Amino acid sequence: GESVGLHLPTLSVQEGDNSIINCAYSNSASDYFIWYKQESGKGPQFIIDIRSNMDKRQGQRVTVLLNKTVKHLSLQIAATQPGDSAVYFCAENTGFQKLVFGTGTRLLVSP
Amino acid sequence: KAGVTQTPRYLIKTRGQQVTLSCSPISGHRSVSWYQQTPGQGLQFLFEYFSETQRNKGNFPGRFSGRQFSNSRSEMNVSTLELGDSALYLCASSNRSGTEAFFGQGTRLTVV
Repeated sequence: GESVGLHLPTLSVQEGDNSIINCAYSNSASDYFIWYKQESGKGPQFIIDIRSNMDKRQGQRVTVLLNKTVKHLSLQIAATQPGDSAVYFCAENTGFQKLVFGTGTRLLVSP
Repeated sequence: KAGVTQTPRYLIKTRGQQVTLSCSPISGHRSVSWYQQTPGQGLQFLFEYFSETQRNKGNFPGRFSGRQFSNSRSEMNVSTLELGDSALYLCASSNRSGTEAFFGQGTRLTVV
């Protein structure tokens, strides 16, 4: 069946550290993956996406890595800031904009 | 450009009642998706509309329904509300399949 999971429910880091959030997916036919950030009381905010024909994509302070062999996705945040504190979700597009979301990882950044 | 707008932001309903939630997508976006978010089940896909046609549906009972209008605005309806329907209902829009979906702030529904 379709499932997207996360290894760690909570990740605590110090300001300035690099953060890595991991995600496993099960649908090998999915060709599009997205990372979202959700702050309390708000809807998910798009961070970065990657297509299955790529293994790495970089944005501003963020990098997404895709390993199709082991069906693993990761989000790297460089120089993590207190404003990065939020819940992060990976999502898998399984067709017609149907996103299957992971359970979420809470990122806590200490000053 | 205005983002995805959902109304109302908060709603309290009684068991057995029905409710209609509204979503206005980003201008030019023709795809609108709906999701239910709860602490126990996380974010779950309800359905997706494109040019007034439902293209995909999640595993929710028939009490959950939706529609899309010619201006791409969408509504979802939940009939015979149950306590377990209490959740944050999120709408997302995108301009075509396989592209980023942008979410609204959501409607917080509480069923008492």
